[in-house]
Amino acid sequence: RKEVEQDPGPFNVPEGATVAFNCTYSNSASQSFFWYRQDCRKEPKLLMSVYSSGNEDGRFTAQLNRASQYISLLIRDSKLSDSATYLCVVNLQGDDKIIFGKGTRLHILP
Amino acid sequence: EAGVAQSPRYKIIEKRQSVAFWCNPISGHATLYWYQQILGQGPKLLIQFQNNGVVDDSQLPKDRFSAERLKGVDSTLKIQPAKLEDSAVYLCASTKTGGYNSPLHFGNGTRLTVT
Repeated sequence: RKEVEQDPGPFNVPEGATVAFNCTYSNSASQSFFWYRQDCRKEPKLLMSVYSSGNEDGRFTAQLNRASQYISLLIRDSKLSDSATYLCVVNLQGDDKIIFGKGTRLHILP
Repeated sequence: EAGVAQSPRYKIIEKRQSVAFWCNPISGHATLYWYQQILGQGPKLLIQFQNNGVVDDSQLPKDRFSAERLKGVDSTLKIQPAKLEDSAVYLCASTKTGGYNSPLHFGNGTRLTVT
């Protein structure tokens, strides 16, 4: 089983719709979790951290389920500018080993 | 705050040639990472430094890749000799010390094409 797995997509979603991505991780000792956004030919940039209690930032909601070892990202009222690749990132306990998923491509359609 | 600096932005070389990339992390960031990102895939960790010591280089192809961070600040990554499959973007990132809950800050990357 891969350390961090994501559905590669692409997800083709009409503007204004809600879209959700899941990401599963294999190491139960994983300690911290993030979602990064990567635009075409650009470097990844932090979108949001994922906390145990779940967290929300505007149209974006991230949740963590430690029992099932997955994290999720929900985007509401999607905009054209949300088109990007969304990378799930897991930090393993103790040694700052940071593992990326392969990313999920999102295309918002006008 | 100045970001992570990388150079060059682009490099085109022929197979079997050598190449070097440079990275200067954000000031005060003790942990430095080199990632390789092949088109269509997520970043793959090559090597992780904590100050000038190597924390993890398990996925670094040591027969051709080397990296150093001699003074615990800037770092170089070298490939010698290059192969066609090394064509990728090489990303440098840094975090604060003990930053298990600290996000990565990436540089712009170096796009390598091996012909």
